[in-house]
Amino acid sequence: QTVVTQEPSFSVSPGGTVTLTCGLNSGSVSADHYPSWFQQTPGQAPRTLIYNAKIRSSGVPDRFSGSILGNTAALTITGAQADDESDYYCAMFMGDSIWVFGGGTKLTVL
Amino acid sequence: EVQLVESGGGLVQIGSSLKLSCEASGLSFSVSAIHWVRQTSGKGLEWVGLVRSRVRSYAATYAASVKGRFIMSRDDSTNTAYLQMNNLKTEDTALYFCTRHVDNTPFNFDYWGRGAPVTVSS
Repeated sequence: QTVVTQEPSFSVSPGGTVTLTCGLNSGSVSADHYPSWFQQTPGQAPRTLIYNAKIRSSGVPDRFSGSILGNTAALTITGAQADDESDYYCAMFMGDSIWVFGGGTKLTVL
Repeated sequence: EVQLVESGGGLVQIGSSLKLSCEASGLSFSVSAIHWVRQTSGKGLEWVGLVRSRVRSYAATYAASVKGRFIMSRDDSTNTAYLQMNNLKTEDTALYFCTRHVDNTPFNFDYWGRGAPVTVSS
């Protein structure tokens, strides 16, 4: 069974840069997995930040960027702000119309 | 204004059935593939499945955890997608979101609903 892995938690200082990663328990992440990144604050619906690995969804600030780094997908936040403190999820396309979410990363800005 | 609005959630007993709806407005529903994603209290997101659009023959695909118990469908005349949940288990207790991507285009889940809560009680 394919498992999508994320760091459980991460912290960043205001104004700092942080890179969250999204990997697979077996194999490498590639563009064919169409990695997507989502931001969710408590009590809210998820918000799509990045799709197809590096395309920003409409209205997403350019301090959020996506990439594939080595064998993982990555979400980089440059110039972190207090309201970036959220849960961040990635999701991967596994083929045959199936998607799998990672367990999420709780980002603290302090 | 674009909206996806889930409804039909509630408290049910183990083994029972429940049908959720996802009504869309302000977007082109007929070309949308509708996904269902659930979230247990305080936990992460889980992809439940999707129903494709007409160009993909309304095909539905399910996560292994719900395959054989859940059925996804849609009615393009009312811009509504449905999630029929049968033989419910306690582990199906979650907040159920619908979201979409435009079929046959890059996978951008551009709109999300606020979710419908489902509680399965023993």
